Amino acid sequence: GQQLNQSPQSMFIQEGEDVSMNCTSSSIFNTWLWYKQEPGEGPVLLIALYKAGELTSNGRLTAQFGITRKDSFLNISASIPSDVGIYFCAGIFTSGTYKYIFGTGTRLKVLA
Amino acid sequence: DTEVTQTPKHLVMGMTNKKSLKCEQHMGHRAMYWYKQKAKKPPELMFVYSYEKLSINESVPSRFSPECPNSSLLNLHLHALQPEDSALYLCASSPQGEEDGEQFFGPGTRLTVL
Repeated sequence: GQQLNQSPQSMFIQEGEDVSMNCTSSSIFNTWLWYKQEPGEGPVLLIALYKAGELTSNGRLTAQFGITRKDSFLNISASIPSDVGIYFCAGIFTSGTYKYIFGTGTRLKVLA
Repeated sequence: DTEVTQTPKHLVMGMTNKKSLKCEQHMGHRAMYWYKQKAKKPPELMFVYSYEKLSINESVPSRFSPECPNSSLLNLHLHALQPEDSALYLCASSPQGEEDGEQFFGPGTRLTVL
C-alpha cells in the first residue's frame, strides 16, 4: 500500500545544531503534517501544511509542503535536549478514497 | 479541558477475554479516531467516527468493534484477540470531520494479549 518514507531513520546531534529531515511518497497528498512523539505519549502536532509550496514556522521549527505534493521537509534550528523524540510526518488524501498515513519516523537524539 | 484521555493506561488480557478501551474528549471535536501502534512503528489508522457516525473502517478484523455513544466518547470493544494484537492503542480527535488533519492524541492504552 501507500507508504511515506522518512529520512534519516535516526539522528544523533550536538545541542545547538540544526536538524533537517524529510518525508517522501510516490503519491500526492492534500495535506502534510508533522508530529513529535515522546516515550509513553501520543503524537503531538507540530505543524500543518495545506498548500503546495507552503512554508510554515512554529518557533524553532520550519516545515515545507513540497511543490510536487509528494514530499515535505522539517527543519529544527538550534536543537535543545528536549527536542529528543520521534518525529513523524503524516499525509492526508481526501479525494475519493480517504487516506491518513504516517511516515516511518525519524528518531532524534540530542547530545548536551 | 484541552486533552484527550484514555483508560486504562495498561491492559493485559487473555485470548478468550472481552474488554473495552475508553477515550474521552471535551473539546467539542467532531471527529474521533482509533489507531494501533506497534513498537518502533508509526501509528496505523483503524477507525474514524465523524459526527458520531462510523465513516472509515480500515479493514480491521471484527474482533475489534468501535462504538461512539456520544460526541465526547469513543470505545473500542475487544473480543477473542490474538497475541499479535498486542500494541499501543491511540485515540485522537479533530475539531471538524475526518478531512481536518489536525489531530489531538491521547496517551494511549498499552495492550498485551497473552
